[in-house]
Amino acid sequence: GESVGLHLPTLSVQEGDNSIINCAYSNSASDYFIWYKQESGKGPQFIIDIRSNMDKRQGQRVTVLLNKTVKHLSLQIAATQPGDSAVYFCAENKILSGSRLTFGEGTQLTVNP
Amino acid sequence: SAVISQKPSRDICQRGTSLTIQCQVDSQVTMMFWYRQQPGQSLTLIATANQGSEATYESGFVIDKFPISRPNLTFSTLTVSNMSPEDSSIYLCSVPGARWETQYFGPGTRLLVL
Repeated sequence: GESVGLHLPTLSVQEGDNSIINCAYSNSASDYFIWYKQESGKGPQFIIDIRSNMDKRQGQRVTVLLNKTVKHLSLQIAATQPGDSAVYFCAENKILSGSRLTFGEGTQLTVNP
Repeated sequence: SAVISQKPSRDICQRGTSLTIQCQVDSQVTMMFWYRQQPGQSLTLIATANQGSEATYESGFVIDKFPISRPNLTFSTLTVSNMSPEDSSIYLCSVPGARWETQYFGPGTRLLVL
């Protein structure tokens, strides 16, 4: 069936390094792909999204890349900081299906000082 | 983005009882969503709640177990009925962004069923 999944369940990086979190998806009909950050004890926080007709979008210290050929999504975090430690989820959104989100499994990012 | 609050933030309940979770938004929204996040897992959509109509439930979720109310455009409740330890989860409500491209989430309700 349709699914959104992640390659790595955990990622540990040194402070100041760049982080790359990956996500594979199987449904090519999605309109948007979204990255969320969830800190312990909190709800998911929107980071950045990318429309399906784009291949790259940049935000503040974050870049999302979309490769539709291989159905792959990644989130790059530049100069990772301890405050970036959290679980990161990718999600896909098919607006015409009522904007219901399908989430990936999540990656735990740990930033070591 | 909308400001979303949930009550209670956490609770410990006995099996067989029911808990009603409230979700309040600071702006009027057509649709609200309820998700479940089991321990250490990702989010799963329970249902979509439209004001003025019955909620639409996802496969595996039924109204008898998770009744939802949507009395106005800023408020919704989710009840977890006849609870068992398997219902221990974080329950989250969300609302769509202005262009429906994303959703914004409340802080969640952490439920432990003993």
